[in-house]
Amino acid sequence: KAGVTQTPRYLIKTRGQQVTLSCSPISGHRSVSWYQQTPGQGLQFLFEYFSETQRNKGNFPGRFSGRQFSNSRSEMNVSTLELGDSALYLCASSLQPFLPGTSGLEQFFGPGTRLTVL
Amino acid sequence: AQTVTQSQPEMSVQEAETVTLSCTYDTSESDYYLFWYKQPPSRQMILVIRQEAYKQQNATENRFSVNFQKAAKSFSLKISDSQLGDAAMYFCAYRSKDYGGSQGNLIFGKGTKLSVKP
Repeated sequence: KAGVTQTPRYLIKTRGQQVTLSCSPISGHRSVSWYQQTPGQGLQFLFEYFSETQRNKGNFPGRFSGRQFSNSRSEMNVSTLELGDSALYLCASSLQPFLPGTSGLEQFFGPGTRLTVL
Repeated sequence: AQTVTQSQPEMSVQEAETVTLSCTYDTSESDYYLFWYKQPPSRQMILVIRQEAYKQQNATENRFSVNFQKAAKSFSLKISDSQLGDAAMYFCAYRSKDYGGSQGNLIFGKGTKLSVKP
């Protein structure tokens, strides 16, 4: 079974531009989460999608948005890029979203998209 | 809000030796999940081991084991018989079991970079 795939793997943009990153979850997985990884802040949760609906959102400005399609593929968009948006963006998929009281379903991570903002 | 702290930015171990990576966390919840993730230089994050807080027994996965001290809020990872392939960033992560502060997403520590010397 193919793993989580993310495209593109590397991206260079300039300040003020916008960018769209794509994530294809493992076949059969319906929940997709996005994380931002930087040397200073570490790994931070961006948002989670399930059934084309955003279920959960981290503490990021509105410039960061996402969506999920009916085939569970997800995209995240960052508008008006800033230098501080340079990071590795990781996508993770799981069979189901997190539900209170349930056993923790494993999240499988993709290789990430390295975004550099100049 | 929950926090996860990894106090060792870098660690080094000789091949075939044993190394312990430290992790402490802060939470007011009584039941939760704790994880150790490995991120090799290729960047694909993989789950190493998982612990449920209500389980007294420490989790073990082959050469990897944890020392879970709930009262002390400590969750260390022991790697026995270290191999060159163990060289990676290791992240400790916390996940709530209900819709608490983290709302189900993973909260990561800043990571420990492990080097393995031949």
